[in-house]
Amino acid sequence: DAGVTQSPTHLIKTRGQQVTLRCSPKSGHDTVSWYQQALGQGPQFIFQYYEEEERQRGNFPDRFSGHQFPNYSSELNVNALLLGDSALYLCASSLLQGRMNTEAFFGQGTRLTVV
Amino acid sequence: SQKIEQNSEALNIQEGKTATLTCNYTNYSPAYLQWYRQDPGRGPVFLLLIRENEKEKRKERLKVTFDTTLKQSLFHITASQPADSATYLCALGASSASKIIFGSGTRLSIRP
Repeated sequence: DAGVTQSPTHLIKTRGQQVTLRCSPKSGHDTVSWYQQALGQGPQFIFQYYEEEERQRGNFPDRFSGHQFPNYSSELNVNALLLGDSALYLCASSLLQGRMNTEAFFGQGTRLTVV
Repeated sequence: SQKIEQNSEALNIQEGKTATLTCNYTNYSPAYLQWYRQDPGRGPVFLLLIRENEKEKRKERLKVTFDTTLKQSLFHITASQPADSATYLCALGASSASKIIFGSGTRLSIRP
């Protein structure tokens, strides 16, 4: 079982550019959540996808968008990058049971640096 | 607004002692609470989940308590080892919401 895989592991982008991050969930999981983690802080919820739809969204601007594919993998897109978008972006997969998520399995993250 | 506070940014204790980490929350009614471990440069790793109707959960050297009246969870590591050194994150989830809210974490250091 490969667990949650994210790509790329590191990325450097210039202000104003656009970036796409990718995530493959743990086998058997149907839900993918994305988090942004600044240095020394806890992960901040961006949004969650289930059945190819955005189920809930945190306090992030529309520059942050996502997608979930039929195979449950997901992408996070960030447009018009700002220096403040530099962070570790984490993908977590889980199984939706009823209306509750089971424990989340995290990938190792994508370290995004905006210069 | 919803707020989660973890007792301190850093905690240093001696090997063999019990480490106790605190998680307090306000303006939230969680259905469950989770604890994660995070090593530098890595994603968080799930440790334990405790539901609102549970008082205590144990797993090997780990113990979690959940007091919904005090709005507090305590996380204990008994017989601590240097390998337990990491950042520990508290996270809350509500039954009606899909998002999990994380605290900022406590960096635990176990000295030999």
